[in-house]
Amino acid sequence: QSPLTQPASVSGSPGQSVTISCTGTSSDVGGYNFVSWYQHRPGTAPKLIIYEVFNRPSGVSTRFSGSKSGNTASLTISGLQAEDEADYYCTSFTINSPVAFGGGTRLTVL
Amino acid sequence: QVQLVQSGAEVKKPGSSVKVSCKASGVTFTTYALSWVRQAPGEGLEWMGGIIPFSGTSNYAQKVMGRVTITMDESTSTSHMELRSLRFEDTAVYYCSVTPAPYYYYGMDFWGQGTTVTVSS
Repeated sequence: QSPLTQPASVSGSPGQSVTISCTGTSSDVGGYNFVSWYQHRPGTAPKLIIYEVFNRPSGVSTRFSGSKSGNTASLTISGLQAEDEADYYCTSFTINSPVAFGGGTRLTVL
Repeated sequence: QVQLVQSGAEVKKPGSSVKVSCKASGVTFTTYALSWVRQAPGEGLEWMGGIIPFSGTSNYAQKVMGRVTITMDESTSTSHMELRSLRFEDTAVYYCSVTPAPYYYYGMDFWGQGTTVTVSS
């Protein structure tokens, strides 16, 4: 079982904003600023979209933003587009493992 | 640009071993971390472990520790992930990835194309 909890699914209409949460504890999300987010479309490799809580790699749309409050990290996608439909995963450093994945969230664009 | 090219699909019997390779090219940063991540059918992503070539240090997830070995042949820029005592639940797509920083948790920025390993009797 993953130590990081994500909602199984979220949805939104084109143009709207959605937020995906990633809840851990003070031993992972809350204790370290090493939260990353990945976008994963079926049949392709995962793509890093946020690292170290709120940083975007070069080439990632500014519609993706990350934040953290306490033991919960969040990914916000603004101006939803059809191409955003994918699975999203958070990761964090934990005291038990250098990297732990959340369970993943399926984003549906209505 | 970093490219990671993985070996082809494998079909293995339970109890046997599999070795998946990942050849890196275009890696110009002096320190980086290489991870192996898998996804079983219908499941989420799972970090299995990794290696930091600069120090030669390997790290493994608790779930597969003792059954997995990750190595790096720097002469060919190729990492190998060997998983032993295969079980049906090891059926998955296995990815290698590179973090352009001296540790895994800075974000896995480059990914291989994935290798399907099927464990079947």
